[in-house]
Amino acid sequence: DAKTTQPNSMESNEEEPVHLPCNHSTISGTDYIHWYRQLPSQGPEYVIHGLTSNVNNRMASLAIAEDRKSSTLILHRATLRDAAVYYCILTTQGGSEKLVFGKGTKLTVNP
Amino acid sequence: DAEITQSPRHKITETGRQVTLACHQTWNHNNMFWYRQDLGHGLRLIHYSYGVQDTNKGEVSDGYSVSRSNTEDLPLTLESAASSQTSVYFCASSVTATGELFFGEGSRLTVL
Repeated sequence: DAKTTQPNSMESNEEEPVHLPCNHSTISGTDYIHWYRQLPSQGPEYVIHGLTSNVNNRMASLAIAEDRKSSTLILHRATLRDAAVYYCILTTQGGSEKLVFGKGTKLTVNP
Repeated sequence: DAEITQSPRHKITETGRQVTLACHQTWNHNNMFWYRQDLGHGLRLIHYSYGVQDTNKGEVSDGYSVSRSNTEDLPLTLESAASSQTSVYFCASSVTATGELFFGEGSRLTVL
């Protein structure tokens, strides 16, 4: 199964942009890149996903490298509410049961 | 608003007892999933279902069972609870097999 590598933790200041990296060097051509986040004491929530092109939504942007071996989740202006564990996940062949949640990156946002 | 709810949110039980965690969603999603999350770990898939009468084993299914008799519910049963099953359990649902997962708030289970 394709795997992802993320830093264990990152720190940011409120109202500044945050770039959360993810490496997935063994990604296959049909794998989607998904990002979820988990706020303290809550279930994970979907953030964004993409295949090849960069993607934007109201929560964040996803920048995917041209070779697709890495991607970056961009929070344009971090707020205290963005403090969470962020998971970068690949969908291998098959459905959502193939989503493998690793340990993710714990993002701390300083006021 | 449509939602996904889990109950109970907290439960303490004894080793050997049968425990059932409920998961109910009102989105009419065909796909439902159960995960467990242990301190310092990511989520691990226990069981999943792609529709009524369909159930499948996930990565850590030993000691757990599920049944899907309708679209809205996927109860998770621990036939004989063990201390190793102390964990936070999350239920999720999705519209399509590869689509966005919607998670419940979690059920914290302690087995003494």
